[in-house]
Amino acid sequence: DTGVSQNPRHKITKRGQNVTFRCDPISEHNRLYWYRQTLGQGPEFLTYFQNEAQLEKSRLLSDRFSAERPKGSFSTLEIQRTEQGDSAMYLCASSWTIYGYTFGSGTRLTVV
Amino acid sequence: SQELEQSPQSLIVQEGKNLTINCTSSKTLYGLYWYKQKYGEGLIFLMMLQKGGEEKSHEKITAKLDEKKQQSSLHITASQPSHAGIYLCGASPGGSQGNLIFGKGTKLSVKP
Repeated sequence: DTGVSQNPRHKITKRGQNVTFRCDPISEHNRLYWYRQTLGQGPEFLTYFQNEAQLEKSRLLSDRFSAERPKGSFSTLEIQRTEQGDSAMYLCASSWTIYGYTFGSGTRLTVV
Repeated sequence: SQELEQSPQSLIVQEGKNLTINCTSSKTLYGLYWYKQKYGEGLIFLMMLQKGGEEKSHEKITAKLDEKKQQSSLHITASQPSHAGIYLCGASPGGSQGNLIFGKGTKLSVKP
């Protein structure tokens, strides 16, 4: 068990480009969450999977954002046509129950 | 919607001093989490409190949840430079699938 792994750690992209982030949860965890954190703020919930089913999405998750969790294992978060306002730290967390989260180290996105 | 307010926003203490960080909720807390975050990194779980009046300790950090379950405090005894970072409180809104809402964090600096 190596914890929750996120890749890449850093991503710099030009405005208008698409980006994809990957999260590998702890293997026995069936719940997976994505959060976004901007400077000076706490993390904000984006979306939640239980196994492969996406059960909840925040209003923050605009049409340009899509998340998947094929086969209930790793998850990807894609942002299409990136905007400068998308610059943030994207955090993934996993858990076995509704308690006891483990967070990954995050992917820092910078849109220039 | 439920909101968490943390105070103070930032704190600078001399090594060896004690300190307290507070987290106040606008609604009853059904699970209160404390996390620590180093700049640019993921969240490290510290403690979780559920019952009114509950108190937990780990090494030199003690967290308490008040009887009314609307306020929590995090107390660090004899602070060390390794305690420096951002402390975040998080909570599960009633009826959520386990996604958390967070306060904005308290930035702690410890002067050697």
